[in-house]
Amino acid sequence: GAGVSQSPSNKVTEKGKDVELRCDPISGHTALYWYRQRLGQGLEFLIYFQGNSAPDKSGLPSDRFSAERTGESVSTLTIQRTQQEDSAVYLCASSPSGSPRGLAGGRGAQDTQYFGPGTRLTVL
Amino acid sequence: RKEVEQDPGPFNVPEGATVAFNCTYSNSASQSFFWYRQDCRKEPKLLMSVYSSGNEDGRFTAQLNRASQYISLLIRDSKLSDSATYLCVVGTSGTYKYIFGTGTRLKVLA
Repeated sequence: GAGVSQSPSNKVTEKGKDVELRCDPISGHTALYWYRQRLGQGLEFLIYFQGNSAPDKSGLPSDRFSAERTGESVSTLTIQRTQQEDSAVYLCASSPSGSPRGLAGGRGAQDTQYFGPGTRLTVL
Repeated sequence: RKEVEQDPGPFNVPEGATVAFNCTYSNSASQSFFWYRQDCRKEPKLLMSVYSSGNEDGRFTAQLNRASQYISLLIRDSKLSDSATYLCVVGTSGTYKYIFGTGTRLKVLA
């Protein structure tokens, strides 16, 4: 089946402009994550959606960042008034469920995250 | 102390070599452990989960040491195609936040 898709794959914008990034998770996955990865750095958690529960936005770096998700489908991450330090790859991941289930493990385990190809954002 | 720590490398090894990476975690309540692989300018992809008793998938073996709070990844008979960054991921039961290490870079040389 289809994996996680993200659009656009690349986005170049001018400082001060707003951008909207889109994520289509794997069908049936209730959990959806957004991460940011700066060049040469690790993944930085931004926000988490689980089903119809209120999202955890504690990782969003500033109030210029916001995200929405419609039910258990598409999510959009919006960055307002972009700054040069926002330049990064924005990765979306989905999993069947978000909560770690212990060491049952294995491919396809409930808490395995599947990543989209990312959106590379460059702010000039 | 970082929640999840990895030696950034790079580990430069010849083809056919055996190489091992460790990853330490600080939260003793951690329950889920994974190794992901990330190729240059690509998204992370699951390599393997880490079981409490250790597990093997072909040339790859993962181990968990709860007492010392680290997980390891062993790669035998390294291939050129194994060159990538290996990310350690730790999850804690009761929370949905997974902590990613910054990765260990492996270069397998011909």
